Amino acid sequence: AQTVTQSQPEMSVQEAETVTLSCTYDTSESDYYLFWYKQPPSRQMILVIRQEAYKQQNATENRFSVNFQKAAKSFSLKISDSQLGDAAMYFCAYRSNYGQNFVFGPGTRLSVLP
Amino acid sequence: EAEVAQSPRYKITEKSQAVAFWCDPISGHATLYWYRQILGQGPELLVQFQDESVVDDSQLPKDRFSAERLKGVDSTLKIQPAELGDSAMYLCASSFGGPYGYTFGSGTRLTVV
Repeated sequence: AQTVTQSQPEMSVQEAETVTLSCTYDTSESDYYLFWYKQPPSRQMILVIRQEAYKQQNATENRFSVNFQKAAKSFSLKISDSQLGDAAMYFCAYRSNYGQNFVFGPGTRLSVLP
Repeated sequence: EAEVAQSPRYKITEKSQAVAFWCDPISGHATLYWYRQILGQGPELLVQFQDESVVDDSQLPKDRFSAERLKGVDSTLKIQPAELGDSAMYLCASSFGGPYGYTFGSGTRLTVV
């Protein structure tokens, strides 16, 4: 079974600075998808960014980018120019190419300091 | 923008009582999921439907939990009897299939006292 680990329960960053959230996963599959989801206090999970395992190029969405290291099974999220609205729980998630449900990590609570 | 609707938003129930949650997925989404999220943890899948059929309920505590999606549209998750350990957020999500297009609802926060 696949597992997802987030070793940082809490992180903080100054507004306008850059922060990196870590994620590692374990799988025997070669084809899969990785995601970062944000869950603000309003609770709805919002997709931040996604990465296909077969793509070597790291995904980027505006201020959000990932560092995908397939061999190391690592998938970190970098948030640049942090904003107060980025404060939330961030979940790393794995999705097999053969199934449709997610395996989530335990989450990292990000605080943004003004 | 289309949303996954869930109700109620909050529910407080006494131990041993029955409780039910409702989810209305995005129109056209054939796949529906119920996740349980214990405070401070990531969501864990309880049950997955494809249309009206259960695809995966391996993590559903079937002695007390049941889920149905009778017409392949909206879904109900029931707990009977509720236990203190069932206190959690219950999230519904839907997708049209494939790796993308997955939308979560805002969840129902259950407190069992």
